[in-house]
Amino acid sequence: QSVLTQPPSVSGAPGQRVTISCTGSSSNIGAGYDVHWYQQLPGTAPKLLIYGNTNRPSGVPDRFSGSQSGTSASLAITGLQAEDEADYYCQSYDSSLSGYYVFGMGTKVTV
Amino acid sequence: EVQLVESGGGLVQPGGSLRLSCAASGLTFSNYWMHWVRQAPGKGLVWVSRINNDGSSTTYADSVKGRFTLSRDNAKNTLYLQMNSLRAEDTAVYYCVRDGGSCYDYWGQGTLVTVSS
Repeated sequence: QSVLTQPPSVSGAPGQRVTISCTGSSSNIGAGYDVHWYQQLPGTAPKLLIYGNTNRPSGVPDRFSGSQSGTSASLAITGLQAEDEADYYCQSYDSSLSGYYVFGMGTKVTV
Repeated sequence: EVQLVESGGGLVQPGGSLRLSCAASGLTFSNYWMHWVRQAPGKGLVWVSRINNDGSSTTYADSVKGRFTLSRDNAKNTLYLQMNSLRAEDTAVYYCVRDGGSCYDYWGQGTLVTVSS
């Protein structure tokens, strides 16, 4: 059971916009710890997609954007493309006893 | 280009041991904290352990505390994960990852550990 809650799946048609939520608590996102997002294409290692809530590493298309408010964060994908079909994970730090570095359970995006 | 290459995975019996290695190149290894993250088949990502840049401090997930030991050799640009008393639930792909300042900015390709009799 993950400390960060994500929907198991979201889907959209090519060109549409989808959002993935990541809900935490006062010991992680709500405590001000940054949220990061990773994309995992089938059969490959995860790749950093968004860091520090809203920042894109070099090479990540601006179709991907992140936001954070209170105890939640969101990843938005606009202009959905077939190559975006992947698993997406949010990650943060948790200051509770069972915490440290925590991931969401992942969201499968189907195009 | 930063590269992280894991090795040492394989099939091991319950209760057995395995040592994973992660060879790093393309970075000043001694400047970075490093982590291991694992992924059981068909499941999500789970943080396992982290070590600070000079190896003086380590932290472990509760599920592996007392069984796994993380270390590093900065002269060899290599990270090690000694795994003892392995259990079926430790079966996973183990990723070596670089800490880019609370996020994981570089990942290895992963090495599969299978614990089964």
